[in-house]
Amino acid sequence: TQLLEQSPQFLSIQEGENLTVYCNSSSVFSSLQWYRQEPGEGPVLLVTVVTGGEVKKLKRLTFQFGDARKDSSLHITAAQPGDTGLYLCAGEGAGAQKLVFGQGTRLTINP
Amino acid sequence: DTGVSQDPRHKITKRGQNVTFRCDPISEHNRLYWYRQTLGQGPEFLTYFQNEAQLEKSRLLSDRFSAERPKGSFSTLEIQRTEQGDSAMYLCASAERQGVVEKLFFGSGTQLSVL
Repeated sequence: TQLLEQSPQFLSIQEGENLTVYCNSSSVFSSLQWYRQEPGEGPVLLVTVVTGGEVKKLKRLTFQFGDARKDSSLHITAAQPGDTGLYLCAGEGAGAQKLVFGQGTRLTINP
Repeated sequence: DTGVSQDPRHKITKRGQNVTFRCDPISEHNRLYWYRQTLGQGPEFLTYFQNEAQLEKSRLLSDRFSAERPKGSFSTLEIQRTEQGDSAMYLCASAERQGVVEKLFFGSGTQLSVL
């Protein structure tokens, strides 16, 4: 079974600060995705990374896939209250296997 | 609305009762997933379909759980003889494969409370 560990589980910071959350595994993934989830709603896809070492930017969010395709990070610059939510990483193993999720990082940005 | 829809949004039931949830995926997507999520945790895989074929079922699922996807369109998830531990959000996702990547589009979920 492929497991994804996310850290930290909870993070509460002030508006304007920077932060990084991590997604780690001992398994290699063919791709890794990041989702954001609001209370009472399903997760919404933010980004997909496929190539080892790949970096993608989405406005103030920067996503990186580890060189060995076993880990990923999400960096948010100048966090805003609207960034508050549950951030989930999800990985797909080789051979078009099912997508498995980490336990999530609950992020709170205080005004 | 052409997204994924789930019905009902909320279900309260008594222990021992049977419940059934429905998911209508995005019409052109041939893969459909069911996940379960408890408070503060990530979605936990239950099962998934490619068209009408159920490809995999989690070993965490007891035989009280069954899912179907007749004709490869909508799907239903039934829980028989519900237990308090079944209380959770049940999420359905419709999947689109783009090359090597499968992207999931989630519904808003069905929140189950077993009393």
